[in-house]
Amino acid sequence: NAGVTQTPKFQVLKTGQSMTLQCAQDMNHEYMSWYRQDPGMGLRLIHYSVGAGITDQGEVPNGYNVSRSTTEDFPLRLLSAAPSQTSVYFCASSRRSGGPYNEQFFGPGTRLTVL
Amino acid sequence: GQQVMQIPQYQHVQEGEDFTTYCNSSTTLSNIQWYKQRPGGHPVFLIQLVKSGEVKKQKRLTFQFGEAKKNSSLHITATQTTDVGTYFCAGYSGGGADGLTFGKGTHLIIQP
Repeated sequence: NAGVTQTPKFQVLKTGQSMTLQCAQDMNHEYMSWYRQDPGMGLRLIHYSVGAGITDQGEVPNGYNVSRSTTEDFPLRLLSAAPSQTSVYFCASSRRSGGPYNEQFFGPGTRLTVL
Repeated sequence: GQQVMQIPQYQHVQEGEDFTTYCNSSTTLSNIQWYKQRPGGHPVFLIQLVKSGEVKKQKRLTFQFGEAKKNSSLHITATQTTDVGTYFCAGYSGGGADGLTFGKGTHLIIQP
């Protein structure tokens, strides 16, 4: 099993550009989520999904869109990149059996810089 | 919304000294998880606590969940250089789909 994979690992954008961060998992996990990590701010939840076709907003959803058409994939779209979106983005997944939130498996992260 | 406070933000210790990080929630938690993130890496799950007053041990690491299920702690005995990293707690309040709320983490710096 590859676990949780994220692409790209690094990305530089110009203000106003759009892009999609890819996330995939091969563990058949129902729950998937996106976090951003900024110095001194810890991990903040952007969007999450409890299953295919179901998504919801987290703590900091503005400027980001998500969709969940399959169990495996959970892409994060930046609609119009802003310097404030410079961050490290982590995707995570977990199973839901036995409780709403179990061990979260994190991907390696995408380091995004917006100029 | 739910808030999870974690202290201290940074902790410098000499190798061999003990280390403790504390987590406090503004609401009663259904469960709490602990993660470790090595520099340049991604968070890795350590443990989950569910029961009031629960105590779990992993070698030199001891995890506690408070009686009121609003606070938790991670204690490392006799730190080693391999313990360097950031330790996060993450809580879930239950009752709906609000997701996990992470504390801001404690950065453990070890001086040999």
